[in-house]
Amino acid sequence: QQQVKQSPQSLIVQKGGISIINCAYENTAFDYFPWYQQFPGKGPALLIAIRPDVSEKKEGRFTISFNKSAKQFSLHIMDSQPGDSATYFCAASIAPFYGGSQGNLIFGKGTKLSVKP
Amino acid sequence: EPEVTQTPSHQVTQMGQEVILRCVPISNHLYFYWYRQILGQKVEFLVSFYNNEISEKSEIFDDQFSVERPDGSNFTLKIRSTKLEDSAMYFCASGGKDSLGTNYGYTFGSGTRLTVV
Repeated sequence: QQQVKQSPQSLIVQKGGISIINCAYENTAFDYFPWYQQFPGKGPALLIAIRPDVSEKKEGRFTISFNKSAKQFSLHIMDSQPGDSATYFCAASIAPFYGGSQGNLIFGKGTKLSVKP
Repeated sequence: EPEVTQTPSHQVTQMGQEVILRCVPISNHLYFYWYRQILGQKVEFLVSFYNNEISEKSEIFDDQFSVERPDGSNFTLKIRSTKLEDSAMYFCASGGKDSLGTNYGYTFGSGTRLTVV
């Protein structure tokens, strides 16, 4: 019940294309869904996050789509650039810092994105 | 932009030795975490710490592990007797909300690579 399943494991996209990464969760108590970007040798950096009261959130070229009934959420990277090449992790938790929640994150296994010039 | 600082960046230790990994969280954050990432695998929650005590820990965080906030700025993870399987990247994270309710979210450090030989 605590798993977050992420696919694909790796993704190759041409520059300017759309990168799509999908995640599914099991625990219906989760209400905070962030995406993290990780470059080699660095810690995960928060890219964008969504709460289940909206079905979509957009920040620049990055969009999260959220389907509460299917317990799925996805990251879309529009106009993908070589600088976007990194590992992307989805995660889920009970919303951190609300109502005393610690927001301990359950991560997916990651997607290694390569954007070809 | 405020950062979570971790030291050392890389530590090599003999099996059975004790190691202490150090973290300086962002100064006005109240929640502190340790996560680990075995090479090529997903990020896994170890422990969360709030109000000077452990608030939640995972199955990984057994009696060999301990955490401490020895002063107002540092947060440490101690592994008492290291095993080969403890080799991983260890990430510290901090987060919280201020008195006005502004959510600072969750920031990860760059990690300490622990190699047990």
